[in-house]
Amino acid sequence: AQSVTQLGSHVSVSEGALVLLRCNYSSSVPPYLFWYVQYPNQGLQLLLKYTSAATLVKGINGFEAEFKKSETSFHLTKPSAHMSDAAEYFCAVSDERNTGFQKLVFGTGTRLLVSP
Amino acid sequence: DAMVIQNPRYQVTQFGKPVTLSCSQTLNHNVMYWYQQKSSQAPKLLFHYYDKDFNNEADTPDNFQSRRPNTSFCFLDIRSPGLGDAAMYLCATSRGSHGSYEQYFGPGTRLTVT
Repeated sequence: AQSVTQLGSHVSVSEGALVLLRCNYSSSVPPYLFWYVQYPNQGLQLLLKYTSAATLVKGINGFEAEFKKSETSFHLTKPSAHMSDAAEYFCAVSDERNTGFQKLVFGTGTRLLVSP
Repeated sequence: DAMVIQNPRYQVTQFGKPVTLSCSQTLNHNVMYWYQQKSSQAPKLLFHYYDKDFNNEADTPDNFQSRRPNTSFCFLDIRSPGLGDAAMYLCATSRGSHGSYEQYFGPGTRLTVT
């Protein structure tokens, strides 16, 4: 069964600094991978997805992630943090390749704190 | 804009008093999901509908039920809420066709049980 590990329940950065949120996956087949962001008392918003096309995936709000099969990783980065990036970030994996139903398995989340 | 709508955003119910949460979508997606998210935890899938086909997760308590009267609407019924059912409930949709991968989430309903 697939799983996702997010290292670090909290990550703190200064405004303007590099953001790096770590995600490692486990899957018996090539997976689909996702990063979602959740602001307080809100639903989840898709930041970006990997679906076996380009290994470097660009998303919204300046975020990007690189799929590295050799490291089973899909880390999320942003060159320069903004105060508005403060939120909870979830990495998720799905390996449902032949059906229309995508069961997402979420990591435990990483709270990004951005200080002025 | 096409979207997933959840009402109400905040719901307070009493211990043991049935409660219904609603979700509607204008995306015309085939699949609708219900997730439970407790504080500082990841969302946990309760069940999903693929069109009219209902699929329950193995560990979803019997206390939780769902209805999907048409493509646009899906309801979550909690028959006898306990204090442990206090959580954010998230509805999501997806197209349901091969090659469509992402789920679209509503803003959630925060349930408080008193």
